[in-house]
This record gives sequence, C-alpha cells and structure tokens, in this order.
Amino acid sequence: AQSVSQHNHHVILSEAASLELGCNYSYGGTVNLFWYVQYPGQHLQLLLKYFSGDPLVKGIKGFEAEFIKSKFSFNLRKPSVQWSDTAEYFCAVKHSGAGSYQLTFGKGTKLSVIP
Amino acid sequence: DAMVIQNPRYQVTQFGKPVTLSCSQTLNHNVMYWYQQKSSQAPKLLFHYYDKDFNNEADTPDNFQSRRPNTSFCFLDIRSPGLGDAAMYLCATSRDRLGSSEQYFGPGTRLTVT
Repeated sequence: AQSVSQHNHHVILSEAASLELGCNYSYGGTVNLFWYVQYPGQHLQLLLKYFSGDPLVKGIKGFEAEFIKSKFSFNLRKPSVQWSDTAEYFCAVKHSGAGSYQLTFGKGTKLSVIP
Repeated sequence: DAMVIQNPRYQVTQFGKPVTLSCSQTLNHNVMYWYQQKSSQAPKLLFHYYDKDFNNEADTPDNFQSRRPNTSFCFLDIRSPGLGDAAMYLCATSRDRLGSSEQYFGPGTRLTVT
C-alpha cells in the first residue's frame, strides 16, 4: 500500500521567510502528486498537482513544488510567505491510470506565519 | 460559489444513536467520496460511489453506510456511533476515477459523540 510522509507537523515562520515543506511517498510506480491547502475554517483546496512533464510545478499564490523521482519526494516551496499563508498543507498521491481513484494523504503540516 | 456542500457543519449525537451526514454537489461529477479525518491524522477514505456503483474500502467498519439517491446527493449513515467515531467527515467529488482526476472537497462535518 502506498503511504505519504510529511515530516514537519508544525512550522512557524516570520513573514517574508522562505518555506519548504517536505513530502515523501512510498509507491514505486507511476504516481500523480498533489498538494492541498486548508485555510482556517475552510475546505481543502488544490494548491498544485503533478502528472508528468516538467518536474517543477507552479501552483496558485506563488507556491511551487518539485518532483524528484529518485528521492520519492514532492516538496512544496514558496520564496516569501505571507500571514495569509497560515493554513494546513496536505501532500497526497494517487496511482496513475484508470481505477486509481484512491487519494492517499499525508498527516498534514500546519504553517503559522507571524506578522 | 460552493460546489461541494456539507450539512450540517457540526453534528452532535449520542453514543449509539444513528446519525446521517449529507453532501451535495453542483459539479455534476460522477464520483463522490467520503473521508474520515481524526485529529492530527490524514484523511482516510471510507468509500466512494462511481455513479450508482458503491465501492467500500476493505477496512471501513460495517457501522458506516452510504446512500446516493441521485447524482447530486450522497449521505453517510453511522448506524451506532461510538466515541471513536468522533471526527471530521469530508465529502469529495471527482469527474472520474482516473489517477489524474482532481478531487473537490466540501468543508466537512465535525461529528461529536457524547
């Protein structure tokens, strides 16, 4: 069974600091990778996704993630965080292909940005 | 504009008293999912409907059931809630079940069992 590890449970940063959230997955085949964000009191929203092609993926609100196949990693980055980025971030993975509906999530990383 | 709607947002039920959570969608998606998320844990898939076809995850307890009367609505029934069933329940939809298909989530219903 595939699994997803997010190593940081809670990250606290000052505004304008750079962000990198780690994500590793265990599945050895072709995967589709996602980062979701959940702002306080709101629903999970897709931040970005990787299916194929350029391993550096750009998402909304200045976020990007890099797929490194050899490391089974899909780390999320942002050069300069804002207070409004305070949220919980979830990495998730799906197999590629038909019938591969199961979205496996990591436990999430809470990001607190201090003004 | 809300696309996946869950009601109620907060639900309190008594130990052993059946409870139903509801989800509706305006996306006309074929697939609807129910996830359980306990505090500080990853969302865990309970089951999903592909159109009218119900698909249960192997480790989902029998206490959890679901109904999908039409494309737009899906219900989660907990027949006899235990204290361990207190959690956030998330509904999600997707156009199909392909690995590349994005899932859209509702805001969740937080269930408390007293």
